[in-house]
Amino acid sequence: GQNIDQPTEMTATEGAIVQINCTYQTSGFNGLFWYQQHAGEAPTFLSYNVLDGLEEKGRFSSFLSRSKGYSYLLLKELQMKDSASYLCAVQKDSNYQLIWGAGTKLIIKP
Amino acid sequence: KAGVTQTPRYLIKTRGQQVTLSCSPISGHRSVSWYQQTPGQGLQFLFEYFSETQRNKGNFPGRFSGRQFSNSRSEMNVSTLELGDSALYLCASSTAGTGKSEQYFGPGTRLTVT
Repeated sequence: GQNIDQPTEMTATEGAIVQINCTYQTSGFNGLFWYQQHAGEAPTFLSYNVLDGLEEKGRFSSFLSRSKGYSYLLLKELQMKDSASYLCAVQKDSNYQLIWGAGTKLIIKP
Repeated sequence: KAGVTQTPRYLIKTRGQQVTLSCSPISGHRSVSWYQQTPGQGLQFLFEYFSETQRNKGNFPGRFSGRQFSNSRSEMNVSTLELGDSALYLCASSTAGTGKSEQYFGPGTRLTVT
């Protein structure tokens, strides 16, 4: 079977740090994507992890542990514009198809 | 470069009708994927086309079909519409659809079936 779990909703304060977790059980794994989706808009690419470890890109970092089937997205110095849904997607190794989690809605409060 | 475009943006149809949605990928992108998005369900993969061939297919009934043209533009067709087909339909294009080939999404077509 294929299963990707993310928390449904999280709340954080402007200026703080938040970690959004993603756990997965899939038949085959090639890499993991994180996308951001603002309400009423299309998803946009944030990061891609294929090897274990942390990938840092400005205020956003993404971590992957293949052996644990676990990833997280770390957002620092939160801004109001970071209020959005964050989608985790596993890329299968057999056909590169993406399997998506249901997304985590992040609410930023002043 | 122009982004991914989808037409129409909004559509209202009646049960039993059929609908065709269109997607124009970013120039040079040969892979086009289609997704259905509903609240709480996340993105559900419909199918992927690469160089006019269906390369991957999700678990949707045969009422959902698609095709890709030689210029990489793609269409998706849903026949015999059901109320449960109401959703946001997103298409995404990428250069090859493999490895770190990230997907670029269009704005989506919001389909409402009454």
